[in-house]
Amino acid sequence: AQKITQTQPGMFVQEKEAVTLDCTYDTSDQSYGLFWYKQPSSGEMIFLIYQGSYDEQNATEGRYSLNFQKARKSANLVISASQLGDSAMYFCAMREPLPINSGGSNYKLTFGKGTLLTVNP
Amino acid sequence: DAGVIQSPRHEVTEMGQEVTLRCKPISGHNSLFWYRQTMMRGLELLIYFNNNVPIDDSGMPEDRFSAKMPNASFSTLKIQPSEPRDSAVYFCASSFGPSGNTIYFGEGSWLTVV
Repeated sequence: AQKITQTQPGMFVQEKEAVTLDCTYDTSDQSYGLFWYKQPSSGEMIFLIYQGSYDEQNATEGRYSLNFQKARKSANLVISASQLGDSAMYFCAMREPLPINSGGSNYKLTFGKGTLLTVNP
Repeated sequence: DAGVIQSPRHEVTEMGQEVTLRCKPISGHNSLFWYRQTMMRGLELLIYFNNNVPIDDSGMPEDRFSAKMPNASFSTLKIQPSEPRDSAVYFCASSFGPSGNTIYFGEGSWLTVV
């Protein structure tokens, strides 16, 4: 079974410090993609960062970086210099092929349960 | 550029009523997803369209749920009749291509069935 595991229900970090949110995944596919989304209290899902399984370098987007360790099947999100506005729910997700012969490489996105990050002033 | 647009943002309805949620994907995107988010079950994929064709609807909970995509710029998710356990946030998301590396979500439709 394919799945995403986020072992930290909640995390606390001091403003301006770095924080790592853990994500491990389970797949037997060679081609897959990993995503991180942020969901603030207002509810919208904000795309943060993407890592393809064949990407050799870790993805970075501003203060966000993805620590991709393929052998360990982990894709941890690192937020540097935390800000109060970073307080939110963070979801790790994996793009995986659908087990349906639809004539193309169709896929779905499977989400973890999320980690609630609180940034303290 | 406009993102994924969902309507209504909030809806409160009585049990037994029909509910229709609407989604306009990002222009040019050809993959569209409907997700449901609840505290108990997290984010669940309900159905996925590629080039307006439903590819996987195995996540649709039961026959009361139906989804359509009559054209590339519009999709609906209908619940008839609605039940209190359908209360959730329903997200529409879109991407370009079956292997798109960026999937954008709408702001969600918050449904409460009383």
